[in-house]
Amino acid sequence: EVQLVESGGGLVKPGGSLRLSCAASGFTFSSYSMNWVRQAPGKGLEWVSSISSSSSYIYYADSVKGRFTISRDNAKNSLYLQMNSLRAEDTAVYYCARYDDYGGRFDYWGQGTLVTVSS
Amino acid sequence: DIQMTQSPSSLSASVGDRVTITCRASQSISSYLNWYQQKPGKAPKLLIYAASSLQSGVPSRFSGSGSGTDFTLTISSLQPEDFATYYCQQSYSTPVTFGQGTRLEIK
Repeated sequence: EVQLVESGGGLVKPGGSLRLSCAASGFTFSSYSMNWVRQAPGKGLEWVSSISSSSSYIYYADSVKGRFTISRDNAKNSLYLQMNSLRAEDTAVYYCARYDDYGGRFDYWGQGTLVTVSS
Repeated sequence: DIQMTQSPSSLSASVGDRVTITCRASQSISSYLNWYQQKPGKAPKLLIYAASSLQSGVPSRFSGSGSGTDFTLTISSLQPEDFATYYCQQSYSTPVTFGQGTRLEIK
């Protein structure tokens, strides 16, 4: 069974940093692109960042470029999101999602971790 | 960036109704269109991929159609568990983008 479990969310002050993790199991992690997608309270879904299976290709939304860094450790079946210079508008539930490159779809999602940026 | 526009933004319907949700892309995306269902407090769930392919385990009352810029998600006979928010998403180009969502409520 595919499982994605996020952790690392919490309350942080504006300008602060946080590192999210996503532990994957039930599939060959090193064969899939992985993504972070966020959802602000009461709002829709916003793609944040993606990383290819071997970390060769990395992309960011303009809203987080230069502040967030995505990475992965295939030996540990883990995905990360380092978030720096956090702003109030980064407040959201952050989901880790597996991306099926062949089908171009987010086929499995974690349960999400809440990041709140507030003074 | 490709903009995805869903209509309606919200919809009231009854159990047993046939419901259609529309998604329009700001440029042609061929069939690179996916549909997700999200219930309150839960992660999105993939329903339809490549515009019309049913994800494994999803009931056959869900169907998708369209190509180019105009797409539809149809639920043939609403069940109580179908009341949720639905999102379309294009995977034609980076950044992937989502529609704003359609909230399906019980009438």
